[in-house]
Amino acid sequence: QAQLVQSGGEMKQPGASVTVSCKASGYTFRSYGIAWVRQAPGQGLEWMGWIIGHTGNTNYAPKVQGRVTMTADTSTSTAYMELRNLRFDDTAVYYCARGWGFGDSRFDPWGQGTLVTVSS
Amino acid sequence: AIQMTQSPSSLSASVGDRVTITCRASQGIGNDLGWYQQKPGKAPKLLIYAVSHLEGGVPSRFTGSGSGVDFTLTISSLQPEDFATYYCLQDYSYPWTFGQGTRVEIK
Repeated sequence: QAQLVQSGGEMKQPGASVTVSCKASGYTFRSYGIAWVRQAPGQGLEWMGWIIGHTGNTNYAPKVQGRVTMTADTSTSTAYMELRNLRFDDTAVYYCARGWGFGDSRFDPWGQGTLVTVSS
Repeated sequence: AIQMTQSPSSLSASVGDRVTITCRASQGIGNDLGWYQQKPGKAPKLLIYAVSHLEGGVPSRFTGSGSGVDFTLTISSLQPEDFATYYCLQDYSYPWTFGQGTRVEIK
């Protein structure tokens, strides 16, 4: 069955960069997209962006546009999310999720989440 | 950006109760709406996509309905494992947006 496994937690200082990986298995990676969603402690879900597997085309949320880059390596079925110039309010659990990309709001499965802590 | 307004933000209910959660979009989003369940410390789980399509393996007590700007998630008979936070998500237009969540607690 389809599965997404994310990289481990990270602790970074303000101004640093972090890269979270999301390795897919159990399905044809390039046939789907990957959405990235984050959740600050005690808060709701926030969509960060979307990458289409077979084209690499991306769309980013305005809040992180200019600081985020999402990529997809079809040879290893792995998606990456790099967030630069980290701020304290970037502290959150970051999730990846497979999407069909048909505008039906269907995202499944989700990765287990990666906690990124920004602290000085 | 399209705003998704969920209500209520929280509710208390008993096992066996019928529960309804609504999501209102700030503009029409067609059928591009899904519902997700999240339990503490866990990743969200897809329940319903395209307004009313039940994801495989999800119990039939969960139903979705609505159109245009108003959407509803109904749990026909609340079970102990349903106590969680529920989110709606629109992917009609960028940036995609979630509702703020509805926490369903035990009465």
